[in-house]
Amino acid sequence: EIVMTQSPATLSVSPGERATLSCRASQSVSTNLAWYQQKPGQAPRLLIYYASTRATGIPARFSGSGSGTEFTLTISSLQSEDFAVYYCQQYNKWPPFTFGQGTRVEIK
Amino acid sequence: EVQLVESGGGLVQPGGSLRLSCAASGFSVSSYYMNWVRQAPGKGLEWVSVIYSADSTYYADSVKGRFTISRHNSNNTLYLQMNSLRPEDTAMYYCARGEIYDYWGQGTLVTVSS
Repeated sequence: EIVMTQSPATLSVSPGERATLSCRASQSVSTNLAWYQQKPGQAPRLLIYYASTRATGIPARFSGSGSGTEFTLTISSLQSEDFAVYYCQQYNKWPPFTFGQGTRVEIK
Repeated sequence: EVQLVESGGGLVQPGGSLRLSCAASGFSVSSYYMNWVRQAPGKGLEWVSVIYSADSTYYADSVKGRFTISRHNSNNTLYLQMNSLRPEDTAMYYCARGEIYDYWGQGTLVTVSS
């Protein structure tokens, strides 16, 4: 099973600042990596797939990068609606599909 | 417009059974990978099961032998039959479309408790 590890667990950021979230895979997943955003009481929403492709309707301030075992989600200028929990997920080798434990982005 | 609507959750005693449904619209469930993903209260996301191609299926080790995923083309619905439920199965259960989970339902809450 591929283990996904996200860091940090919590990120405190002021509105307008940049946020950088990390995700590490226990073995290479190529670029078969997705990022999801989840707000309280809501289902997750797909942000990024194939490590760097924005999903439909996702603002350009969200960007993904990386390949192999190291990945980054960057939010260039945090808006109030971006404060949420973010999960990475690999779909390169399954079953199982595996998620990271999440990074909570909170208001500083 | 693509929509997924789950139903069937509720309170059940340990050892009991539930069947979850995920009604799809805007696409055919037979044409896509379809998944169940769960989230225990205050915890992260856990993949549960997938159905794809000619109804091939896989399960997480934690539910293997107890849960069964299926889909019916006639009513365009995905199902999860859950038997021998345990307290640790308590979670919000989401259905999600695709190998990349591009659409999710709103979830249905399953509580296993005596």
